[in-house]
Amino acid sequence: KQEVTQIPAALSVPEGENLVLNCSFTDSAIYNLQWFRQDPGKGLTSLLLIQSSQREQTSGRLNASLDKSSGRSTLYIAASQPGDSATYLCAAGLISNFGNEKLTFGTGTRLTIIP
Amino acid sequence: DAGVIQSPRHEVTEMGQEVTLRCKPISGHNSLFWYRQTMMRGLELLIYFNNNVPIDDSGMPEDRFSAKMPNASFSTLKIQPSEPRDSAVYFCASSFTGELFFGEGSRLTVL
Repeated sequence: KQEVTQIPAALSVPEGENLVLNCSFTDSAIYNLQWFRQDPGKGLTSLLLIQSSQREQTSGRLNASLDKSSGRSTLYIAASQPGDSATYLCAAGLISNFGNEKLTFGTGTRLTIIP
Repeated sequence: DAGVIQSPRHEVTEMGQEVTLRCKPISGHNSLFWYRQTMMRGLELLIYFNNNVPIDDSGMPEDRFSAKMPNASFSTLKIQPSEPRDSAVYFCASSFTGELFFGEGSRLTVL
């Protein structure tokens, strides 16, 4: 059974700093890995999707890396801004016994950027 | 596109009542997912549809839960009878290429 862990559960950093969020997963036979952002009272917004054959994806100030062999992914946020404050969740995708892609979510890291 | 639309946004009901949650996926998406989010268990997949057909319902907690997708633009998740432990935020998500797009959720409180 796939387990996804995100440490720390909460993180506060001053505005302007670069930061890294960590995600680890137990089953390296993943199909893909996705990073999401969730604002309070809202749904999840997809940030980056890394296919199993890729090592990283970039979007603006965000860069996500994937190391399947070690079961780890990181989300790098450059030049953090107060608007980046949210909960960030990673999800590891496996192919289920039914043939569909099944995402297992971590419990998230709650990020606060201090102005 | 308006994104994934869920209703109601909030539902408060009493134990034993029937609850129906609704979802309109993004037009053109062929996969639809129902998730449940709680503080204790995080996000859990309840059921997955592909081309309106239920493919994986292994996450449905028990027979009190049922889900339907009568057409490509509508799905329901029904709980009957509801119990206090069903209190959670229920999310619907749709996908075409593997990237998930979530609705804003239905917050259910069962008293």
